[in-house]
Amino acid sequence: EVQLVESGGGLVQPGGSLRLSCAASGFTFSNYDMHWVRQGTGKGLEWVSGISSAGDTFYLGSVKGRFTISRENAKNSLYLQMNSLRAGDTAVYYCARGAATGFDPWGQGTLVTVSS
Amino acid sequence: QSVLTQPPSASGTPGQRVTISCSGSSSNIGSNSVYWYQQLPGTAPKLLIYSNNQRPSGVPDRFSGSRSGTSASLAISGLRSEDEADYYCAAWDDSLRGWVFGGGTKLSVL
Repeated sequence: EVQLVESGGGLVQPGGSLRLSCAASGFTFSNYDMHWVRQGTGKGLEWVSGISSAGDTFYLGSVKGRFTISRENAKNSLYLQMNSLRAGDTAVYYCARGAATGFDPWGQGTLVTVSS
Repeated sequence: QSVLTQPPSASGTPGQRVTISCSGSSSNIGSNSVYWYQQLPGTAPKLLIYSNNQRPSGVPDRFSGSRSGTSASLAISGLRSEDEADYYCAAWDDSLRGWVFGGGTKLSVL
């Protein structure tokens, strides 16, 4: 069964840092693009960042320079290093497998709360 | 303000057909495939339609997608109570070099 499990969310003060992880199983992780998508409370979906199977990275404009996406194929893991966090970054962060057939599947999400 | 524009809400009665629109521009829908995602209350999003009009295995044929120019639409026929959810369209944007989503449409089954 293809599965994605996020971890690392929590409460952090404005200006702080957090590292999210996504553990993948049930497929050949190295063959796929991977993405982070977030959803503020009561709000819509917002793509945050993606990394191709070749390691090319892409970012939402408002997180460029603050967030870094990376992957460790040997550990079937995806990461999102988030620095200089702002209140507007508060959201549930989902990881998702990417392909021409869309973002599928999605993990269950991990909540990041930026507040003093 | 989302790059792709969807109506905030839609509704229908059981058995009816409803459509949800998604409007974009030449840099996203006009030149790239459209995807639709369904998010049931309290759950993670799920892929519903890919490449404008293709259904992943397991998605009922009551769901269909189409694209024309810089707009796309999702149609749900034979509406059922379990279709009550939020629906999002998405596409790659060549100008932004990133994925963009619509603001989401909350579908109510009356």
